[in-house]
Amino acid sequence: GESVGLHLPTLSVQEGDNSIINCAYSNSASDYFIWYKQESGKGPQFIIDIRSNMDKRQGQRVTVLLNKTVKHLSLQIAATQPGDSAVYFCAENNRAAGNKLTFGGGTRVLVKP
Amino acid sequence: NAGVTQTPKFQVLKTGQSMTLQCAQDMNHEYMSWYRQDPGMGLRLIHYSVGAGITDQGEVPNGYNVSRSTTEDFPLRLLSAAPSQTSVYFCASRGTGGVYEQYFGPGTRLTVT
Repeated sequence: GESVGLHLPTLSVQEGDNSIINCAYSNSASDYFIWYKQESGKGPQFIIDIRSNMDKRQGQRVTVLLNKTVKHLSLQIAATQPGDSAVYFCAENNRAAGNKLTFGGGTRVLVKP
Repeated sequence: NAGVTQTPKFQVLKTGQSMTLQCAQDMNHEYMSWYRQDPGMGLRLIHYSVGAGITDQGEVPNGYNVSRSTTEDFPLRLLSAAPSQTSVYFCASRGTGGVYEQYFGPGTRLTVT
């Protein structure tokens, strides 16, 4: 499949450890944030989202934290597994701009056995 | 549901040729969009549509045309291909009314020589 993100920042993590992926967003008017996972040769897949009136949301093995003061978003993956190896993107939605999603540059996560 | 489908999966064009990338969704989503993804970069919005008969430009619209004659289909046309348009193209769709989860197609890998 297509190898995207050849020059992306990479996070190497041992299997079983927790992963933290960070994202800085640009627009203080953004009202909704989403994390996507993209495996090689595939389109991005939705992982978890958070609205701007929240600061934390938990899913299955994943937690998203939002700090609006410094415009920072993070994705925490608990007990990282080999299947978590992928490129992770954050995206911000701006309802006032027609609900267009703006994507960050992505982080590659490599899980070491 | 097939979700979001894209054809072709791969395409090689010569500079100056034209072609249409097809995108269809069967989820009755109003909002559809086209992104391109280049190595080391996130997804950049080319064009989007909030419903049949309505299209608008995204971040990088030059060299591309779109139309939306039905809810299901959102083709992307390259009028005169250039090497700078070598990329992976993703189509996406989502519902409206505050539901922002976006579903992506599998992508089309385009090479312009």
